[in-house]
Amino acid sequence: QSVLTQPPSASGTPGQRVTIDCSGGSSNIGTNAVNWYQQFPGTAPKLLIYSSNQRPSGVPDRFSGSKSGTSASLAISGLQSEDEADYYCAAWDDSLDGVVFGGGTKLTVL
Amino acid sequence: EVHLVESGGGLVQPGGSLRISCAASGFTFSSYEMNWVRQAPGKGLEWVSYITGSGTTRYYADSVKGRFTISRDNAKSSLYLQMNSLRAEDTAIYYCVRESQNILGAPFDYWGQGTLVTVSS
Repeated sequence: QSVLTQPPSASGTPGQRVTIDCSGGSSNIGTNAVNWYQQFPGTAPKLLIYSSNQRPSGVPDRFSGSKSGTSASLAISGLQSEDEADYYCAAWDDSLDGVVFGGGTKLTVL
Repeated sequence: EVHLVESGGGLVQPGGSLRISCAASGFTFSSYEMNWVRQAPGKGLEWVSYITGSGTTRYYADSVKGRFTISRDNAKSSLYLQMNSLRAEDTAIYYCVRESQNILGAPFDYWGQGTLVTVSS
C-alpha cells in the first residue's frame, strides 16, 4: 500500500488530453513539492516534472504538473503513442523522513 | 555527462548479506546527496535510503531500517548499500539516484541502470 495514491491505469487516444492524479496527505504533498517520473519497460525512471510544475530541459511542454492542497496532477496534452509508459508521483514525507512514491499509473494510448 | 553505474547485484540466500556499489562520474560527487531506490519485479518504485554529500546524515525506509546501511566514499566517487539479513521481499532492481541541488522538492535528476538483487534459496 503506497503512501501516495494513484490510479493503476489511465488511457486515451492520440491527440487527447489525459490527467493522472496523485493523492497524499499533510505530511507529504500538503507540505512539500511533488515530482513526477516516467518509466518505459526495462529502463530506469526519468524525471518528468519537478517542484510540482517545472519541466526539466528536453521534456516537451505537452507535459504539465500542478498541485493543490494534498493532491497533485500530471497532465499530458496532445497524447502521442510514445507517451505510453508508467508514471509515478513522489514527494518527501516529513513524518516518515523519507521519500514516498505513488503506486504508479500505466498509461495506455489506444 | 553524468553517469551512475551500479554493480554487485546477484543471487543471495535469505538471511545473507550483499553490498552493492555505484560508481559516479561527470559531476562533483561530494556536492550531491544520493539515494537508493528499488523496484521489485513487476512492481512500483520504493525509496530505500538517502545520504548527504558529507555522509553525516542518513535516512532509511522503515522496511530496511536496521538491516541496510548506506555509505559513500567521496574520494572514489562511489556510493554503497550494505544489505544484511536479506529477505525474499528485498528482491528488486536497486537504482543509484542523484538528488538535484537546491531545487524545491529535491527531485531525482539522474538514475543508474540498476542492479538486480535476488534473494532466494
